[in-house]
Amino acid sequence: AQTVTQSQPEMSVQEAETVTLSCTYDTSESDYYLFWYKQPPSRQMILVIRQEAYKQQNATENRFSVNFQKAAKSFSLKISDSQLGDAAMYFCAYRSGFATSGTYKYIFGTGTRLKVLA
Amino acid sequence: ETGVTQTPRHLVMGMTNKKSLKCEQHLGHNAMYWYKQSAKKPLELMFVYNFKEQTENNSVPSRFSPECPNSSHLFLHLHTLQPEDSALYLCASSQDGQIYTGELFFGEGSRLTVL
Repeated sequence: AQTVTQSQPEMSVQEAETVTLSCTYDTSESDYYLFWYKQPPSRQMILVIRQEAYKQQNATENRFSVNFQKAAKSFSLKISDSQLGDAAMYFCAYRSGFATSGTYKYIFGTGTRLKVLA
Repeated sequence: ETGVTQTPRHLVMGMTNKKSLKCEQHLGHNAMYWYKQSAKKPLELMFVYNFKEQTENNSVPSRFSPECPNSSHLFLHLHTLQPEDSALYLCASSQDGQIYTGELFFGEGSRLTVL
């Protein structure tokens, strides 16, 4: 079975600085997707960034980038130039590339609460 | 209209009450999900529906009963709950299929408190 581990329950970063959130996963599959989701306080969870396992190039979305190390099964999120609006819970998630009964299973980590200090 | 709408946002119920959570998606997706979110735990998948057919029941107690009348609506009927069922219940949808990227779209959640 696949697992996703986020070992940092909470992180803090100074505004305008850079922070890296860690995520490791375990799987025997070769085809899968990895995601980082952001859940602001009392607001809905939204996708931050996505990585396809078959792509060697690390995904980037504006100030958000990932360091995808497939062999090490590591998928960290780097937030550059942190802003107050980045404060949220961040969840790492794994999605199999193979469907079961027509749907895909997602596995989430326990989340990292990011605080941004002014 | 937001993509995925959940009602009510907050619900307080006694252990003998019967209530329902509602989810509606306006994205034309084929798959809908119920997740349970508790503090310091990973999101727990409860149920998955694909084209209104249930494809996953993740060993959820029978006091939780899902209903999916069509691809746009999903309900979670609650009956004889326990205090440990207090949590944030998230609904999500996705367009599943090999050519799709698999992003989940979440509602804002229903915060349930069982007294």
